Amino acid sequence: DVKVTQSSRYLVKRTGEKVFLECVQDMDHENMFWYRQDPGLGLRLIYFSYDVKMKEKGDIPEGYSVSREKKERFSLILESASTNQTSMYLCASTAPRGTQYFGPGTRLTVL
Amino acid sequence: AQTVTQSQPEMSVQEAETVTLSCTYDTSESDYYLFWYKQPPSRQMILVIRQEAYKQQNATENRFSVNFQKAAKSFSLKISDSQLGDAAMYFCAYRSPLTGNQFYFGTGTSLTVIP
Repeated sequence: DVKVTQSSRYLVKRTGEKVFLECVQDMDHENMFWYRQDPGLGLRLIYFSYDVKMKEKGDIPEGYSVSREKKERFSLILESASTNQTSMYLCASTAPRGTQYFGPGTRLTVL
Repeated sequence: AQTVTQSQPEMSVQEAETVTLSCTYDTSESDYYLFWYKQPPSRQMILVIRQEAYKQQNATENRFSVNFQKAAKSFSLKISDSQLGDAAMYFCAYRSPLTGNQFYFGTGTSLTVIP
């Protein structure tokens, strides 16, 4: 079974802090994604990566950056957390035939 | 960008009954994938069923089946013999092979199963 893990299930940070969310997949997938999930808005794509050191902006990249130094690991960085970044963050990786596998999510609260 | 629309924010079904969740999408592509994902409360998002656009036959996975109408750009999910464990948020998703393998998600349908 594909396994996608995220570093934290719950995280509480203060406004202005730098926040790192990490995601690891064990299936050698090339494509990895970061989404945020908010009620009534579904999943919105923040960034995705199709290879090591390669990244593409999604629909809502402002206030975020990403890092992919190794194929299995894709990190989401909030440079200076703000209250409007309080959300559920989902990481996913995609198999060659297209199915997307999700991590358990990180519920981030910014105070 | 492709758009995916789920027009039913909430649905409910009696246990053991059948329910259908609706999804429509907008695309000019001819080759793509469609998915239904399930997200139980406070639990991980998991794949329910997938459909390749080039296949005319509707996909089926046990109690879950889809009605794929390519011309109408419609992709509904039917859950038969509903169980309490089916209660979850359901997301319809479209995968484009042309835009970096991006997925486009609907806003979700929250399904309640009534005992």
